[in-house]
Amino acid sequence: GQQVMQIPQYQHVQEGEDFTTYCNSSTTLSNIQWYKQRPGGHPVFLIQLVKSGEVKKQKRLTFQFGEAKKNSSLHITATQTTDVGTYFCAGYGSGGSNYKLTFGKGTLLTVNP
Amino acid sequence: KAGVTQTPRYLIKTRGQQVTLSCSPISGHRSVSWYQQTPGQGLQFLFEYFSETQRNKGNFPGRFSGRQFSNSRSEMNVSTLELGDSALYLCASSSGNTIYFGEGSWLTVV
Repeated sequence: GQQVMQIPQYQHVQEGEDFTTYCNSSTTLSNIQWYKQRPGGHPVFLIQLVKSGEVKKQKRLTFQFGEAKKNSSLHITATQTTDVGTYFCAGYGSGGSNYKLTFGKGTLLTVNP
Repeated sequence: KAGVTQTPRYLIKTRGQQVTLSCSPISGHRSVSWYQQTPGQGLQFLFEYFSETQRNKGNFPGRFSGRQFSNSRSEMNVSTLELGDSALYLCASSSGNTIYFGEGSWLTVV
């Protein structure tokens, strides 16, 4: 079945440093979504990318979808303590599993003030 | 607009018992999906319902079941609980591809 791998599993940075998490799917995705889960909270939708090679920005966050629609990345510029949490990527397969969203295991980001 | 509501938020059950969790989706959302979240396995898809029909199912044993009612509210049931079923169970509703999670039900099996 479809697998979504995410690296790194953990990342600790000093406030002000940049952060990147990478997501790779075993199969082509129809779209990729990113979620953030604060400690003790629930996943919150951040963004969806649909087109091959798409790049979207939300303030200090930059999201990319690979040309082959099998990989994605999330980059945070100049991290802040409010960025702490686990970032998940998730994708719908491009075949018959369009109703099943497969999540990566997430990257836990901690920020030292 | 109210978000996704899950009840109960916390519960403790004994091995061998069964449990039913409830989810009320965002008004107007007809798709409801369920996920199990554990530290080791991350977020794993359980099943998804749309208009009372299960459209997809994850790789969980038959002890895990669900249903959706005509008002889009959903329940999931786990029978013969095992220690490994201890997890955060998340319900999500969607209209289109974006899904909105509830705060989850924390289940501890002792």
